[in-house]
Amino acid sequence: AQTVTQSQPEMSVQEAETVTLSCTYDTSESDYYLFWYKQPPSRQMILVIRQEAYKQQNATENRFSVNFQKAAKSFSLKISDSQLGDAAMYFCAADGGATNKLIFGTGTLLAVQP
Amino acid sequence: EPEVTQTPSHQVTQMGQEVILRCVPISNHLYFYWYRQILGQKVEFLVSFYNNEISEKSEIFDDQFSVERPDGSNFTLKIRSTKLEDSAMYFCASSVEGAVNEKLFFGSGTQLSVL
Repeated sequence: AQTVTQSQPEMSVQEAETVTLSCTYDTSESDYYLFWYKQPPSRQMILVIRQEAYKQQNATENRFSVNFQKAAKSFSLKISDSQLGDAAMYFCAADGGATNKLIFGTGTLLAVQP
Repeated sequence: EPEVTQTPSHQVTQMGQEVILRCVPISNHLYFYWYRQILGQKVEFLVSFYNNEISEKSEIFDDQFSVERPDGSNFTLKIRSTKLEDSAMYFCASSVEGAVNEKLFFGSGTQLSVL
């Protein structure tokens, strides 16, 4: 079964600095997708970025990028030039292979200090 | 951008009562999901629905839960006899295609409080 692990319950970063959130996963699938979701205090789930496992190039969306290490089953999120609005809970997720469900990690609460 | 709409945003109920959580998925989407998040815990998959039937469900989705698409726009989650441990945020989501490699659109959630 797929599992997703986020080992950092909380992180803090200064405004304008860079922070990296860690995620590891385990899957027996050969083709899969990985995601980072942001959950602000409103608790809505917002897709930040996704990575297709068969693509070697790391995904990038503006200030957000990932470091995808397939052999190590690692999928970290880097936020550059952090902004106050980036403060939120961040969830790493993996798709369930042949199924249609997402498997989520336990989340990392990111605080951005002014 | 189109949105998934959930109502109500907050529902309070007594233990043992039935509740229906409502969702309006994005109009051209064909796959519908319910997830839940107990406060302070991770988001958990409950059920996926396609072509008017359940395509997958988790062990959480027992006989107390049911889903329905009563018309062309609504997608509902019913809990027949609520328990204290059903208190959670319930998220509806939809996608155009079934594989989650397609973008999954989440609603803003319904906070269910069982007293």
